Amino acid sequence: DTEVTQTPKHLVMGMTNKKSLKCEQHMGHRAMYWYKQKAKKPPELMFVYSYEKLSINESVPSRFSPECPNSSLLNLHLHALQPEDSALYLCASSQRKVLFTDTQYFGPGTRLTVL
Amino acid sequence: AQTVTQSQPEMSVQEAETVTLSCTYDTSESDYYLFWYKQPPSRQMILVIRQEAYKQQNATENRFSVNFQKAAKSFSLKISDSQLGDAAMYFCAYRSAQGGSEKLVFGKGTKLTVNP
Repeated sequence: DTEVTQTPKHLVMGMTNKKSLKCEQHMGHRAMYWYKQKAKKPPELMFVYSYEKLSINESVPSRFSPECPNSSLLNLHLHALQPEDSALYLCASSQRKVLFTDTQYFGPGTRLTVL
Repeated sequence: AQTVTQSQPEMSVQEAETVTLSCTYDTSESDYYLFWYKQPPSRQMILVIRQEAYKQQNATENRFSVNFQKAAKSFSLKISDSQLGDAAMYFCAYRSAQGGSEKLVFGKGTKLTVNP
């Protein structure tokens, strides 16, 4: 089973709203990732959590705030977003074991529109 | 820094035929992993195949196989007996094998159309 789930599938929000994206996996993976993908472009890494600790922040604006409450859950809190933040937000997870290929498995994404 | 190049923005193939998607990469590392991901219009990124750089044998997964040429830094994907469901954007990706290096470096993608 290589399932990563994301909710909601679609989200429309105003620039003054606060919303959260949720990602969940039950594969025992210990690394989780947030990516942003604009139309017809490859995904861009935003954050990486490894063993529930933030290990990579790719200089993402503070209006995006990640949270990893436990090893199965990853949230992305959104506040005061701009229209250019409209994109597909993908979550991924990987085993994070030594001597393993550490393949990332992706969720279906949340399509975010900022008005 | 590593880079991944997919020189074919779009490709098309007839159903049941074979198509090859190209990918080249640039790295100074000797140990790394390479991946092909597929992203259909449903938008979920699906792992197609992966290759460990230390393995000489080319990876295969059913109708999908790769031609991994380490010296040439080339990693092409061959899809045999193409099916309508293969239509998607295909991304080639590189990941370092260095400890703590989780970042995937993606190419810009190749859009594959399968004609009935």
